[in-house]
Amino acid sequence: NAGVTQTPKFQVLKTGQSMTLQCAQDMNHEYMSWYRQDPGMGLRLIHYSVGAGITDQGEVPNGYNVSRSTTEDFPLRLLSAAPSQTSVYFCASSPGWDSLYEQYFGPGTRLTVT
Amino acid sequence: AQSVTQLDSHVSVSEGTPVLLRCNYSSSYSPSLFWYVQHPNKGLQLLLKYTSAATLVKGINGFEAEFKKSETSFHLTKPSAHMSDAAEYFCVVGYMEYGNKLVFGAGTILRVKS
Repeated sequence: NAGVTQTPKFQVLKTGQSMTLQCAQDMNHEYMSWYRQDPGMGLRLIHYSVGAGITDQGEVPNGYNVSRSTTEDFPLRLLSAAPSQTSVYFCASSPGWDSLYEQYFGPGTRLTVT
Repeated sequence: AQSVTQLDSHVSVSEGTPVLLRCNYSSSYSPSLFWYVQHPNKGLQLLLKYTSAATLVKGINGFEAEFKKSETSFHLTKPSAHMSDAAEYFCVVGYMEYGNKLVFGAGTILRVKS
């Protein structure tokens, strides 16, 4: 049981490039989400999914796309990277969509956009 | 709008002395409340959670928090700090009417002096 895994751990992009951050969980969790962490701002929700085929926007969705074709995987796509997207990205999963459930976080991806 | 305020961005204590990390939230409903800890260059780990049961919640590593509805507070305490407690702590609110969305405070960095 690996929990929540994220790849890559580190990435450097040039402005305008696109890429996909991968997230997978092996706990059969319904709910998955992506956050970005910036100094002094805590974590902010980018997108979330309550199950395969269902996604919705969070607090800061602009510049990011997601899809959820399987229960296990929830990739985050940066369409055209910008320096403002330099951040640490965390994926999380939860057994249910109700906030009573604990969310399990991956180790993070540190992204730098130059 | 939902919000979480961590009243101190940095807290410094001596090893063996009590820890108090303060958190206030705004909510029109009874929220779920969490404290997460993040050690340097690591992911987030759940310390404890409040989900409308006992108002005094005990977590891992000797931490506990008290939910005070009248004060909309959820302060984190520990009787005696250990060097390994040095980390960043996040107060987090889950709002059930928005699914399992979490709203994070900005974080409090705890420093423990020997």
